[in-house]
Amino acid sequence: GENVEQHPSTLSVQEGDSAVIKCTYSDSASNYFPWYKQELGKRPQLIIDIRSNVGEKKDQRIAVTLNKTAKHFSLHITETQPEDSAVYFCAASKPGGYQKVTFGIGTKLQVIP
Amino acid sequence: KAGVTQTPRYLIKTRGQQVTLSCSPISGHRSVSWYQQTPGQGLQFLFEYFSETQRNKGNFPGRFSGRQFSNSRSEMNVSTLELGDSALYLCASSLRGAQDEKLFFGSGTQLSVL
Repeated sequence: GENVEQHPSTLSVQEGDSAVIKCTYSDSASNYFPWYKQELGKRPQLIIDIRSNVGEKKDQRIAVTLNKTAKHFSLHITETQPEDSAVYFCAASKPGGYQKVTFGIGTKLQVIP
Repeated sequence: KAGVTQTPRYLIKTRGQQVTLSCSPISGHRSVSWYQQTPGQGLQFLFEYFSETQRNKGNFPGRFSGRQFSNSRSEMNVSTLELGDSALYLCASSLRGAQDEKLFFGSGTQLSVL
């Protein structure tokens, strides 16, 4: 089955700096890669996703890049703010009604004011 | 539209007991998937239901089971509870299926097994 590895497990940055979280996946058939943000005590929420026919996607201060050949994708957060502090999960899945979503272990991001 | 609702919010049980958790998806969503969240283990997939049928199951023992009703509400049952079952159990709903689109998560049920 699919295996998703996520690095780093914890990340501390100064406010205003950039943060990068990386994930690798094992199944070359995977074609959907969402990122979820979970603030302390709250439910995970989708912040951005990318499909395998696209190499990069941006939404304001957040961007995701995908390298299908190397089977890795990354989340980039620029100009970090204290409210970006949360746990971020990457995930991967492949098409088909009987496929599941496999999540990475999560990255705890702390933005220091 | 109301979000995904999970009940109860907290549960305290003792080893050997069984527990049933409930999840009401967003109206119109036919897929409900369940995840176990523990510190250091991320989100572990339990199973997914779509139109009352289990479409996929994760690597959990048979003590973990679920079902989905005709109104798409889903329940998860854990029998013969063990200490290691203590976790936050999250459900998520989507229109077509967890593998292809955005998941909407509930707030979870925090289960503590003593």
